[in-house]
Amino acid sequence: EPEVTQTPSHQVTQMGQEVILRCVPISNHLYFYWYRQILGQKVEFLVSFYNNEISEKSEIFDDQFSVERPDGSNFTLKIRSTKLEDSAMYFCASRPQAHTDTQYFGPGTRLTVL
Amino acid sequence: AQSVSQHNHHVILSEAASLELGCNYSYGGTVNLFWYVQYPGQHLQLLLKYFSGDPLVKGIKGFEAEFIKSKFSFNLRKPSVQWSDTAEYFCAVTYSSNTGKLIFGQGTTLQVKP
Repeated sequence: EPEVTQTPSHQVTQMGQEVILRCVPISNHLYFYWYRQILGQKVEFLVSFYNNEISEKSEIFDDQFSVERPDGSNFTLKIRSTKLEDSAMYFCASRPQAHTDTQYFGPGTRLTVL
Repeated sequence: AQSVSQHNHHVILSEAASLELGCNYSYGGTVNLFWYVQYPGQHLQLLLKYFSGDPLVKGIKGFEAEFIKSKFSFNLRKPSVQWSDTAEYFCAVTYSSNTGKLIFGQGTTLQVKP
């Protein structure tokens, strides 16, 4: 069964450094998402991406964040200058097309900012 | 604001006990409702979903949920839990007015004692 994959599984970085989190969505899916979960808190929506552009973003998704689908298979989340409060589990998800389709989640990347 | 609340943060049950986890969502028009499960060390997986039709939906592993529109609720039930049901359970909603982003509740940790 096709799966969403994410790399790395764990990323440790220093405050102020740039990080890129990578995701490979399921191949025939058209909608892509990033969510995050700070330890002990709820899963929060960051951004949705469709047709090579951002379709919606949350308040969390400020100028420090960007997303890209550089080659038709990868979907990346970049944080330009990480802060301590960016430490969280970041989940990528994708869904086929219809609004009623299920979103499939990757295993997550645990980002630790020191 | 669009939001989801789960009433139980941590539930401890013995095997064979019945389970009901509460979930309420805020009004925001037409909704699609989901329950996801996250087993220890694994990624979020869909348990069941409701889009339309019969308000009682059945999912995997013997779980079911009932959509009660008048109460804005979508409670998850299982008649007899097993030790393997130990996991974190997330209720989530998409509203027809948005891009399919999932709005999550804070999650319920279920611990089943053998």
